[in-house]
Amino acid sequence: KQEVTQIPAALSVPEGENLVLNCSFTDSAIYNLQWFRQDPGKGLTSLLLIQSSQREQTSGRLNASLDKSSGRSTLYIAASQPGDSATYLCAVAYASGYSTLTFGKGTMLLVSP
Amino acid sequence: GAVVSQHPSWVICKSGTSVKIECRSLDFQATTMFWYRQFPKQSLMLMATSNEGSKATYEQGVEKDKFLINHASLTLSTLTVTSAHPEDSSFYICSARDGRQKETQYFGPGTRLLVL
Repeated sequence: KQEVTQIPAALSVPEGENLVLNCSFTDSAIYNLQWFRQDPGKGLTSLLLIQSSQREQTSGRLNASLDKSSGRSTLYIAASQPGDSATYLCAVAYASGYSTLTFGKGTMLLVSP
Repeated sequence: GAVVSQHPSWVICKSGTSVKIECRSLDFQATTMFWYRQFPKQSLMLMATSNEGSKATYEQGVEKDKFLINHASLTLSTLTVTSAHPEDSSFYICSARDGRQKETQYFGPGTRLLVL
């Protein structure tokens, strides 16, 4: 059974700090990996998608890296802001085309002013 | 961007009643829709995958007679929780895949179900 693990489960930082969220997956034969943001009681917003052939993707203050051989991905958030407070989910697709996503439990981030 | 809506956003019902949740793709045709369930502080767990015009494929451990899924059109899928019980209380999220962009799923805002 494929498993996706996210560490830490929760993180609290002061505004302005750079931070790293971690995601690991048991099967390195992935198709792609996505990072999502989920606000309390809300749906998911896709942040970054990394194809298995890619090493990283960047969007604004967010940078996601992928090391398929070691089964790891990191999400780097630069200069964190209170508006970044949310739960960040990592999801892995293991098959091409009509693949389904396997999600981690998420990291709950709180950025205090 | 592609938008997926869910209705209702909140539902409270008595034990034993049935609840229907709608998932709509507003500006694209969704050949495939997915239904997930999320318990507090847990990850999203895929319940079933539905393709327009065919029967849904359920994940192991999900009762197909309890969670009825209908995907009758390219823009609408419904999940009916039949004879709901308190343990069915959860956050239900749908996602939809645009037939032209097979790698991307667009997620709905979710439906919070509370069964008393």
